[in-house]
Amino acid sequence: KNEVEQSPQNLTAQEGEFITINCSYSVGISALHWLQQHPGGGIVSLFMLSSGKKKHGRLIATINIQEKHSSLHITASHPRDSAVYICAVPNYGGSQGNLIFGKGTKLSVKP
Amino acid sequence: IAGITQAPTSQILAAGRRMTLRCTQDMRHNAMYWYRQDLGLGLRLIHYSNTAGTTGKGEVPDGYSVSRANTDDFPLTLASAVPSQTSVYFCASSDSLGTDTQYFGPGTRLTVL
Repeated sequence: KNEVEQSPQNLTAQEGEFITINCSYSVGISALHWLQQHPGGGIVSLFMLSSGKKKHGRLIATINIQEKHSSLHITASHPRDSAVYICAVPNYGGSQGNLIFGKGTKLSVKP
Repeated sequence: IAGITQAPTSQILAAGRRMTLRCTQDMRHNAMYWYRQDLGLGLRLIHYSNTAGTTGKGEVPDGYSVSRANTDDFPLTLASAVPSQTSVYFCASSDSLGTDTQYFGPGTRLTVL
């Protein structure tokens, strides 16, 4: 069974700062997910990636399959980026089983 | 309907009562999921369905049951609610089971007294 660790648990930044959130897992996987949970509670999928890097606007996700590690970066952070960011991986590694979720990183961006 | 919907938005329930949380998607996704989210624990899978007519147990299935009579609907039933089932419940769907992108409903906040 996979285990997911996210760091930091909480992060406060000033507007404009570069943000990095980390995710590590214990069992090799075929794809990792990053999700965003808005302050109102809604959850949206940001990225699904299996290698290298993906970019969407100011968000960049990277993954190192060999090191079992992924990072989510936010460039030029803005108060509207304030949310909980969650990573998720297949529970039994590879592409097997359902997703297991990290506990999330709560990001607060101050104006 | 656009995407995935849940009902009710919130509910306060007396312990011992039966409750069904509703979930409907219009994306013709094969897989559907029920999660609960508790402070400090993250999202945990309760039950899932690979396709209409099949269901499976997740990480925390005790006290819950589901059915999947058709592609669109995936209700979650608490037969006899207990206070430890106080939580926020999210329904999600994906094209196939496992690693496909999941789309989440808005959640149901349930309080069991």
